[in-house]
Amino acid sequence: DVKVTQSSRYLVKRTGEKVFLECVQDMDHENMFWYRQDPGLGLRLIYFSYDVKMKEKGDIPEGYSVSREKKERFSLILESASTNQTSMYLCASSSDVWYGYTFGSGTRLTVV
Amino acid sequence: ILNVEQSPQSLHVQEGDSTNFTCSFPSSNFYALHWYRWETAKSPEALFVMTLNGDEKKKGRISATLNTKEGYSYLYIKGSQPEDSATYLCAFRSNTGNQFYFGTGTSLTVIP
Repeated sequence: DVKVTQSSRYLVKRTGEKVFLECVQDMDHENMFWYRQDPGLGLRLIYFSYDVKMKEKGDIPEGYSVSREKKERFSLILESASTNQTSMYLCASSSDVWYGYTFGSGTRLTVV
Repeated sequence: ILNVEQSPQSLHVQEGDSTNFTCSFPSSNFYALHWYRWETAKSPEALFVMTLNGDEKKKGRISATLNTKEGYSYLYIKGSQPEDSATYLCAFRSNTGNQFYFGTGTSLTVIP
């Protein structure tokens, strides 16, 4: 089975900290994605990547950056965490649009 | 940002009841639609990938239909069981973009 592993299930950080959320997939997927999910809102795309060292902005990239140095790893970086970035973060990967996404189990980030 | 709507927002049914819910999306420039099931404390899991108008997909007691001309997809669950309790998400992609847009989900609770 394809696995997408997110490094932390729960995370509490202070305002202003630099935060790294890591995501690793083990099936050689080209495409990787970072979403956030907030109550009453659908999953919203932050950034995605179709290849190593390649990145594209999603709908809500402000306050975030990403890194994809290796095919299997896609990191989301909060440059200076703020309370409005408290959310559930989901990483996903896919080989092709015809197969759907495989999601990680999510990281619930609280910024205090 | 494209508008993807799901209804109802939540649903409670008795075990054994059949149920259905709706995903509405823009009726022009259709490319693909995904359905996912998201159980509490787990990762969203892909159920169906739908690409052609008139598509009908089935997995056990769950099935889905697609009408791209009018911009909707139905998900049906026959003889609901408590293990069907989850949030069901749909995601739409148009052929003019390169990302999927998620609805806010339908939360299903099956009462034993």
